[in-house]
Amino acid sequence: GAVVSQHPSRVICKSGTSVKIECRSLDFQATTMFWYRQFPKQSLMLMATSNEGSKATYEQGVEKDKFLINHASLTLSTLTVTSAHPEDSSFYICSARVTSGGGQIFGPGTRLTVL
Amino acid sequence: GDSVTQMEGPVTLSEEAFLTINCTYTATGYPSLFWYVQYPGEGLQLLLKATKADDKGSNKGFEATYRKETTSFHLEKGSVQVSDSAVYFCALGIGNEKLTFGTGTRLTIIP
Repeated sequence: GAVVSQHPSRVICKSGTSVKIECRSLDFQATTMFWYRQFPKQSLMLMATSNEGSKATYEQGVEKDKFLINHASLTLSTLTVTSAHPEDSSFYICSARVTSGGGQIFGPGTRLTVL
Repeated sequence: GDSVTQMEGPVTLSEEAFLTINCTYTATGYPSLFWYVQYPGEGLQLLLKATKADDKGSNKGFEATYRKETTSFHLEKGSVQVSDSAVYFCALGIGNEKLTFGTGTRLTIIP
C-alpha cells in the first residue's frame, strides 16, 4: 500500500540552529501534503498545507518565516524549522492527501528536541 | 465550523472486554469520517473510514457506522487485546479538504 516516510525520525539540536525534516511519498505522487504538530498527550494541530509547485498555506497563528515549507516535487515536501528554540520541541507529523475516498496517509513522525 | 467531539480518556479495560469510544461531529457539508490509531512514538495509521451515511467501516475487529441522524461515528470492538492499547482519533474530512481531528482517546488494555 501507499506509504509516507519521514526523515529523520528523531533530531536533537542546539538553540538557534535550523532543522530540516523531509516527508516523502513512496510509490505514489502526492500533490498535497500536510504538516502537523503534536504536543504530548494532545491531538494534532495542522500547521500548513503544502501544494506541489506553489506556496504553502499556513494555518492561523503559524509563523511562515519560522516554519519554511517547500514542496518541490510530487514525492517530497520539506519542513525547515528556522532558528529553533526549546519551545519548538515537539512531534512533527506529515501526511499526504489520498485522492480517492478522502483522508490522508501519515508519516511516522519526527521528534524534535531543541536544547 | 466543522468539529469533532470525542470521548475523553483515558479508558482502561481488561482484555476481552467490549470497547466503545464515542465520536460525534458537526459539519456544514457531507463529510467522510475516519478513525485513526496512534501507537506510542509513531504517526497515525488509518484504522477505518466511512464515506457516506449508513456506511460501516471495519478493520482488525473494529467497527464504526456513519449515523447521519445522530451525527455519530462511534468506534466499537467486541473483544479487545493488549495490543489494541493506543490513542484513537476520530476525524472528519469534506471532499479533499484538510481533516478535522477529535482530541484523541487513550486506550489501555490490561491482561
